[in-house]
Amino acid sequence: QVQLQESGPGLVKPSGTLSLTCTVSGGSVTSNKWWTWVRQPPGKGLEWIGEMHHSGSTNYNPSVKSRVLISIDKSKNQFSLMLTSVTAADTAVYYCARGVGPWGQGTLVTVSS
Amino acid sequence: EVVLTQSPATLSLSPGERATLSCRASQSFNNYLAWYQQKAGQAPRLLIYDASNRATGIPVRFSASGSGTDFTLTISSLEPEDSAVYYCQQRSNWPLWVTFGGGTKLEIK
Repeated sequence: QVQLQESGPGLVKPSGTLSLTCTVSGGSVTSNKWWTWVRQPPGKGLEWIGEMHHSGSTNYNPSVKSRVLISIDKSKNQFSLMLTSVTAADTAVYYCARGVGPWGQGTLVTVSS
Repeated sequence: EVVLTQSPATLSLSPGERATLSCRASQSFNNYLAWYQQKAGQAPRLLIYDASNRATGIPVRFSASGSGTDFTLTISSLEPEDSAVYYCQQRSNWPLWVTFGGGTKLEIK
C-alpha cells in the first residue's frame, strides 16, 4: 500500500525558509491524485497548506499563498514544500498526504532562533 | 471560504454507546466531505470520504451521512480504542479551498 514519509530540518530560524520533502513508496506521484501538505500547530487543529498534481496544477491556502511553493520530483517519487519568511506562527507538525489519505506520520518543525 | 463548525467540542460516552458527531458548513458545497480520526501523537486517519463512503479497513460501526450544509458521523457501538479527536474536512471547487472543522474530542469513559 502507499506510504508517505516526511523529512527535513526540525528547526528553522525566523525569516528563513522551511523546506520539507515527502517520499512516496508503494505508489507513484504521477498517479491521478493531489499531493497535499497539511500542518497542525501544537495543541491545535489542522490547516491545509496546499496541493499539487503531477500535471503541474497547484492550489494553495490563501493565508500562505504568497510564501509557499509545492513541487514534485517524478524521478525521485517525491514532492516538496517550501515556505518562506517563516515566523513562530509557522511552528507546527507538518504532514504530507495523498489526497484525503493516506498521510505521513508528520514531522515537527520549530521556528526559533 | 467554507467554514466548518463541529459539535459538540467534547463528548464523553461509555463503551457500547452510540456517538453522533456533527459538522455544519457555513454554505452549501459539493459533497466532498471527509472525516478523520486522530489519536494522541498520531497522524489523522481517513475514516469517510465523499460524505458517506467508508475508507478501506474502517470498521462498519463508523458511518456518515449528510449533504448541503449538515453532515454527521455516527459510531454505532463505541469501543475503548475510539477515543480520539475527530475532524471533518471539505473541498469546495470554486474557489478551490480545503478547510477543516475545529474537531470533536471523543472520550470513552
